[in-house]
Amino acid sequence: GAVVSQHPSWVICKSGTSVKIECRSLDFQATTMFWYRQFPKQSLMLMATSNEGSKATYEQGVEKDKFLINHASLTLSTLTVTSAHPEDSSFYICSAGTGPMNTEAFFGQGTRLTVV
Amino acid sequence: QKEVEQNSGPLSVPEGAIASLNCTYSDRGSQSFFWYRQYSGKSPELIMSIYSNGDKEDGRFTAQLNKASQYVSLLIRDSQPSDSATYLCAVRGSSASKIIFGSGTRLSIRP
Repeated sequence: GAVVSQHPSWVICKSGTSVKIECRSLDFQATTMFWYRQFPKQSLMLMATSNEGSKATYEQGVEKDKFLINHASLTLSTLTVTSAHPEDSSFYICSAGTGPMNTEAFFGQGTRLTVV
Repeated sequence: QKEVEQNSGPLSVPEGAIASLNCTYSDRGSQSFFWYRQYSGKSPELIMSIYSNGDKEDGRFTAQLNKASQYVSLLIRDSQPSDSATYLCAVRGSSASKIIFGSGTRLSIRP
């Protein structure tokens, strides 16, 4: 399958600081990438859809000013968690689509964010 | 009603037996269906994708889709301890490119 690389794999930050997470498609171009958040023992919750060259589409209840998404190229999308708080601690995962009709999605390895 | 529903489990199956995982979805216009496997602390890994009614086989895995019943399933033959994981059913709806995930079924293969 296609390779999606996410960096960093884990990060610890102080409350009130910002953290940037990168998601790269290594062997294909992704016009659309997706950002998910997963709390322990829960399923993946879609946060936003990242569109290359345009504004991201956020899911209901996700603060766009807190979770900044930039998709500046066909291989890179970034998620910045601004003014992080302990309740933002979670597993953040990106995915990018490929395959017939751009239907299959492959995931990055995820970023474990801990806010202290 | 959740958009994608799965039994959370845990589902316990003896080694070598067939594990059967089920999923229902609410968007009747959905066209793409996926099964992902997720080990604890790791990101999901795509196992199968299915787009048309019927069965699709890949090795020990068989995906089954019934659009009339809005039902998709995954069968794992000759279950191995390494199959122990959470299995996520995912559906791409008719109106958007986003993929919606079920809450996952925890599968445990006992030796």
